[in-house]
Amino acid sequence: EAEVAQSPRYKITEKSQAVAFWCDPISGHATLYWYRQILGQGPELLVQFQDESVVDDSQLPKDRFSAERLKGVDSTLKIQPAELGDSAMYLCASSPAPRGNTEAFFGQGTRLTVV
Amino acid sequence: EDQVTQSPEALRLQEGESSSLNCSYTVSGLRGLFWYRQDPGKGPEFLFTLYSAGEEKEKERLKATLTKKESFLHITAPKPEDSATYLCAVRGGREETSGSRLTFGEGTQLTVNP
Repeated sequence: EAEVAQSPRYKITEKSQAVAFWCDPISGHATLYWYRQILGQGPELLVQFQDESVVDDSQLPKDRFSAERLKGVDSTLKIQPAELGDSAMYLCASSPAPRGNTEAFFGQGTRLTVV
Repeated sequence: EDQVTQSPEALRLQEGESSSLNCSYTVSGLRGLFWYRQDPGKGPEFLFTLYSAGEEKEKERLKATLTKKESFLHITAPKPEDSATYLCAVRGGREETSGSRLTFGEGTQLTVNP
């Protein structure tokens, strides 16, 4: 069964350091999302890609967060510098349709702890 | 702005005791309501998509229904393995302005005791 792959599963970093997360969506999925989930809350969208283009990054803290999907396949989310409030689960998801209302399939996430 | 409210926050059931979870939503132009299951430390697992009022979907012991203002996830004769957090999400607005973002509620944490 096809899955969204994320790495690493867990990351501990010190405040002010840089950290990066990687995501490989389900093969053939044109739409890729990064969500952030704080413990006890629902996921919140950070950025959406359609192929290699950013469709929605209105909730991305652009002063410290960046995301890219250079070849329209896998994606990297970076935080520099990390702050204590960035501790959360970072979830990647993908959808098969370039437009429309299909469901998103999530990976297992990266649990980030900033100390 | 799309809004999703789930209730109750937590629900404890005995095995076999049926119940329902509620998801109330406010959205401009619903383009889908989604139910996910999330186990601790893992990503959400897709369960159902509903698109229009009156629609129903079923999977094993779970049944999702949709009205114009809310959705219910009915759990019939639950088992301990149904214990998880159940998340509701909506997609609304126009594709050109809202993209395909999902707006999630905070979830209902379900515990089923043997």
